[in-house]
Amino acid sequence: GQSLEQPSEVTAVEGAIVQINCTYQTSGFYGLSWYQQHDGGAPTFLSYNALDGLEETGRFSSFLSRSDSYGYLLLQELQMKDSASYFCAVRSPMNRDDKIIFGKGTRLHILP
Amino acid sequence: KAGVTQTPRYLIKTRGQQVTLSCSPISGHRSVSWYQQTPGQGLQFLFEYFSETQRNKGNFPGRFSGRQFSNSRSEMNVSTLELGDSALYLCASSSAGTYQETQYFGPGTRLLVL
Repeated sequence: GQSLEQPSEVTAVEGAIVQINCTYQTSGFYGLSWYQQHDGGAPTFLSYNALDGLEETGRFSSFLSRSDSYGYLLLQELQMKDSASYFCAVRSPMNRDDKIIFGKGTRLHILP
Repeated sequence: KAGVTQTPRYLIKTRGQQVTLSCSPISGHRSVSWYQQTPGQGLQFLFEYFSETQRNKGNFPGRFSGRQFSNSRSEMNVSTLELGDSALYLCASSSAGTYQETQYFGPGTRLLVL
């Protein structure tokens, strides 16, 4: 089957760094995306990794290792507004179609 | 540029009824995808439309259907509603639906089935 695994909850302190991991099992793989969703809001795109390595966008960085079927989202200098759910997602070929698969999300709690 | 819009935002229905949800993508976007979001299952892919054709379909029963119009607006329909259909229904649009493209989500329609 096709699946993505990520922790259900992570807690960190304001100003600190936190890493949210995502492992995937898919029959094919184009790339790994990350989305942020605040309570009551819509998911918004954060980053996309097609190749191995680190992509940095401001306080957020995302990493991919295709050989390990693993990626992570790194959030630095945490702010209270970063309290949200974070989803990893892959677009994977399946039969003759390709499908978008999301992880179940990681709820990030930030303590003052 | 206006974002993705969805109507209605909230809906209450009873078991056995049917419902139609609407999604207007970002101007110029031709791909619209629909997702069901529930606390236990996360975001689950329903289907994707591109240029009025269903391009991909997730693992949902035939009670869930959709269509896309020539202006790229999309509707999804759920017939014979069940209690388990209570969820947030999100649509997302992208320019051409290619694998590396960002998806832009609408605010969702929250459906409650009683």
